[in-house]
Formats: sequence, structure tokens, C-alpha cells
Amino acid sequence: GAGVSQSPRYKVAKRGQDVALRCDPISGHVSLFWYQQALGQGPEFLTYFQNEAQLDKSGLPSDRFFAERPEGSVSTLKIQRTQQEDSAVYLCASSTPRTVYEQYFGPGTRLTVT
Amino acid sequence: AQTVTQSQPEMSVQEAETVTLSCTYDTSENNYYLFWYKQPPSRQMILVIRQEAYKQQNATENRFSVNFQKAAKSFSLKISDSQLGDTAMYFCAFSGYGQNFVFGPGTRLSVLP
Repeated sequence: GAGVSQSPRYKVAKRGQDVALRCDPISGHVSLFWYQQALGQGPEFLTYFQNEAQLDKSGLPSDRFFAERPEGSVSTLKIQRTQQEDSAVYLCASSTPRTVYEQYFGPGTRLTVT
Repeated sequence: AQTVTQSQPEMSVQEAETVTLSCTYDTSENNYYLFWYKQPPSRQMILVIRQEAYKQQNATENRFSVNFQKAAKSFSLKISDSQLGDTAMYFCAFSGYGQNFVFGPGTRLSVLP
């Protein structure tokens, strides 16, 4: 089957605009993670879903960041009133209950805020 | 909180030679997983190798092997017979059971022809 997909692959936003980033996990994967990867750094955890429940959002950097997964499959990460420091690659990963230790990553969305 | 450290920001190796990338971590947990991921310019994170902390035997995957020292909290990656396609960023990562990954800052590896 297909891997984790993310769209768009690239997004340019003017400062102050709202953006929405989409993640389609592997079918049947109940766990979904969002990470933020600044240029030249390792990914940093943002938030975690198990099915539709958001179990951990401790990594979200501000209340401008919001994530949802209303039907337990596709997830959307929304950033309101984007700032230049939000420029990064946003990675999504999913995993199954049987292989909770192994996360499958999507190709990421590169967000540039000008 | 767990932390992962990679002390080598950049490394280079001649094609066909062997290179070792270092990683140390800090945790109070006893059961966890450690990973090495490769990230080429395409940005796709590719799992290279995985080690379960309760297993004493070091994991190997073809040309890739690890030296896992649990007491020292060290988890280095050895790449044998380096190939040009190994050029990428390499990230060491830690995960408790079913939890999010904690990544190190990465090592940029260049394989030279």
C-alpha cells in the first residue's frame, strides 16, 4: 500500500496568513505524529493522535498552532497568523498498535513565511 | 525528559571505507528503542536500523551495524563499504514504548568518490 503522504509539498505564506497542512497516514495506522524540523536541525515533536483523540500536544509552540484528526485518519495541522519563525519542514508520521516502536514518515511540507 | 546528542555535525568518508557516527542519549527509562534514520535531500526519513534496549545483541542490517552500550547510554552507527548513495543527514532517535521520537541534531555525512 501507499506510504504516508503530505500536501502540499511546498507552501509559501506571507506573514500573518493562516495555513493548513494535510497528512494522510498509512491505512489502518491509528497513531499519528507531527514534527517540526527547522533548517539544519533534527525534527521536534509537536503533537500526537491515537485515532481521533489528541493525546499529547505538549510540543505545539504556541496557541497559533492547532491540529485535528476528526475521523481518525487524515490529519490537518493549522497555523494561524504565521510568523517567520514558523518557517520549517513539517513532518507527519504514523504507526500501528502492533509496531508502536516504528514510525513511518511522510515526505514533509516545507513552509516558508515571507 | 529524554535528550539525544550527536557531537559530529559533519563527517566525510572515502567511498568503500568505513565510518562511525556517534550518538549519546539521556533517559531514566529502562525499556526503550533507539533508531538511526537517514534523510537525503528529498527530506524522506528512511529507517536505517533499530535497537531494542532490552536486547544485548547489537543490531545489524547489511552494511549498517550499531554499537549499543546501555550503561554508557551510547548508540553509534557503523557504515561499512560506504557508497555514494549513503550521502545524507543521519539522525539518531530515542523512543519510549508508543511515544513520540526524540531526535538528535543530526550528522551530515558526505561520501567522497
